[in-house]
Amino acid sequence: QKEVEQNSGPLSVPEGAIASLNCTYSDRGSQSFFWYRQYSGKSPELIMFIYSNGDKEDGRFTAQLNKASQYVSLLIRDSQPSDSATYLCAVNESGGSYIPTFGRGTSLIVHP
Amino acid sequence: SAVISQKPSRDICQRGTSLTIQCQVDSQVTMMFWYRQQPGQSLTLIATANQGSEATYESGFVIDKFPISRPNLTFSTLTVSNMSPEDSSIYLCSVSGAGKHQETQYFGPGTRLLVL
Repeated sequence: QKEVEQNSGPLSVPEGAIASLNCTYSDRGSQSFFWYRQYSGKSPELIMFIYSNGDKEDGRFTAQLNKASQYVSLLIRDSQPSDSATYLCAVNESGGSYIPTFGRGTSLIVHP
Repeated sequence: SAVISQKPSRDICQRGTSLTIQCQVDSQVTMMFWYRQQPGQSLTLIATANQGSEATYESGFVIDKFPISRPNLTFSTLTVSNMSPEDSSIYLCSVSGAGKHQETQYFGPGTRLLVL
C-alpha cells in the first residue's frame, strides 16, 4: 500500500523565518510530487510540483526532492502570518494514473 | 489550470434524504474525482468519475450510497444517498488532465454538508 507520511504538527515559526515542511513516501515508482496549501474552511490550492531530483524555486517557496531517500520537502522563506495553513504533500506514481496519494498534512503556524 | 465550480456550496439536510452535488469545469479534463474531507482530517478519495461509464469506487465506498454521473468531459455529479449524521463532511470535486501538466490535480471550492 502506498503511503505518504507527514508530521501533523503544528509547526510553529516566527514571522520572517524559514519554515521547513517534510514528506516521505513509500512507493519507489513515484514520479511526480505536489505541495498543496489548505486554509481552514477552504479547498486545497496547488503551490508547487516537482518531478526531478534537486530543488525547484518559485518565489518564497522551494521544493526539494530526493528520490533515493524517498523524501520531498517544502521550504518557505520569509514566512508570513498569511502562510499559516495546512500543507498537503501528494505523490503520484508513474504511468499516468493521475490519482495521487495525499499525506495527512502539516499544520503551519507563523506567529508575528 | 482549470476553474472548477461546485453547487451547492453548503447545505443542511435531514437524515434519510439525498443530496446531489454538481461539479462544473471550464474546460475539458481527462479525469474527475470526488473526495471527502472531515473536519481536521485529510482527503479521502471516494471515486473516480469516468466519462460514459460507471465510476471507479475506492474501498469503503459503494455506488448505492454515492452514485456518480459524468455525462461529458466538463461535468459530474455526486449524490449522497440516505444520509446520516456521519455523512457530514466537506465534499470536494477535483480534476486532472487540464493544460500543460496533465498529472496536476486541481480542486473545486467544496460543498459543506451538515446532516441533522
